[in-house]
Order: sequence, then C-alpha cells, then structure tokens
Amino acid sequence: DSGVTQTPKHLITATGQRVTLRCSPRSGDLSVYWYQQSLDQGLQFLIQYYNGEERAKGNILERFSAQQFPDLHSELNLSSLELGDSALYFCASSPLMSSYEQYFGPGTRLTVT
Amino acid sequence: GESVGLHLPTLSVQEGDNSIINCAYSNSASDYFIWYKQESGKGPQFIIDIRSNMDKRQGQRVTVLLNKTVKHLSLQIAATQPGDSAVYFCAEIWDNYGQNFVFGPGTRLSVLP
Repeated sequence: DSGVTQTPKHLITATGQRVTLRCSPRSGDLSVYWYQQSLDQGLQFLIQYYNGEERAKGNILERFSAQQFPDLHSELNLSSLELGDSALYFCASSPLMSSYEQYFGPGTRLTVT
Repeated sequence: GESVGLHLPTLSVQEGDNSIINCAYSNSASDYFIWYKQESGKGPQFIIDIRSNMDKRQGQRVTVLLNKTVKHLSLQIAATQPGDSAVYFCAEIWDNYGQNFVFGPGTRLSVLP
C-alpha cells in the first residue's frame, strides 16, 4: 500500500459526460501528479500540482482540468468524454516539488461507452 | 485485475535465473531515468533510478545500466522470483520549463516455476 488513495475505483459513463476523479496523497506529500494509462498509448504524464499550484503540464487535453485543494487532495475533471478517454487514471504523490520518487495510487478505471 | 498492455513484449525466465529488460529512450537531454514495476491491478511502483552522469547503479537484486551513446537503458534482476512477474517500464525525465516525463511501453516479465 503506497498511502495514496484514489476514488472511485471504477467508473462507467457515456460519451459527452463529465466526471471527477479524486486523489488523496500520502500524508505530508505536497506534490500530486496525474497520469493516464491506456492500452495503445502506455503511461502518459498529464499534470503536476505542488502545494496547490500547477507545476508542470504534460499531454493533458483542454477538455481535462485538475486542481489541488488546501488540504492537498486533488481532483481531475474530465469533460465531453470520448470513447478514447477510456483508460486507467493514476495519481502519484511525492514530498517535494521536483521529486522523481513518486508513490502511485491504485488508479481509477474509466470506461466511456 | 486489469491487464495493462495486452500486446506488450514478453520476457519469460526460469525462476532463479537472471532477467534483463531493455529500454530505448528518445531524448539525449534526459537527465534522469527510472524503472517501474507494475503488477496486475496496481499502480506503478518505483524500483530504481539513475542519473545521466552515471552508467550503473545497483539496488537490492536489481541493477540499472545506462548507455548514453546508444540511448539505452537496461534493468537486470538477479535470481528472479515468482513475485517479480509484472510489467516493467522505464521513464526518462528532463527539465524544460517543468518536468517532462516520457514512459516506455513496457515489457511483461513472466517467471516460470
């Protein structure tokens, strides 16, 4: 158990809908990272937050957004969902702004039908 | 749990033998590399890292080798055990107005009894 929690574990929704994925980092970790893992594209870095501020951006679509709250939990919002958004979404946390040793949560499996 | 990367290359090794998993990276400016292990239904787990100014780093039963000339990374697992069965993938990281993470597609390691 990494100490990172993600909810929900599974999510099934229809195209065009909007969903919110939630992540609670390990106690004391200030950085949160979001990743998408699909069968055809592997693991892709989406975005990083550090202590409430956006720190780095990867391959995140404009339909997707994220935020980190004062209690350090983070949410990833996915809107206008498409079939291709079906994937595992992972959150990871680390204690520092630039830390390569990240602790991953168990992921949220999103299925768009 | 869900299978990640159903069409990944697979390496099958006998229990007790050594395993070597390879990864080609793309950016000669990458300054940090990580190997992750991902078991079925779980998030990636950090195994070992190496900075670009090194060519070898050893951990417990694992060794990472870096060849910058040909942009190649390898992970060696000594005395492979059934618990090592998982998908392994490398990540290259560089800083350019924030951290950039690129992950390899992964290799599935299957340990035969």
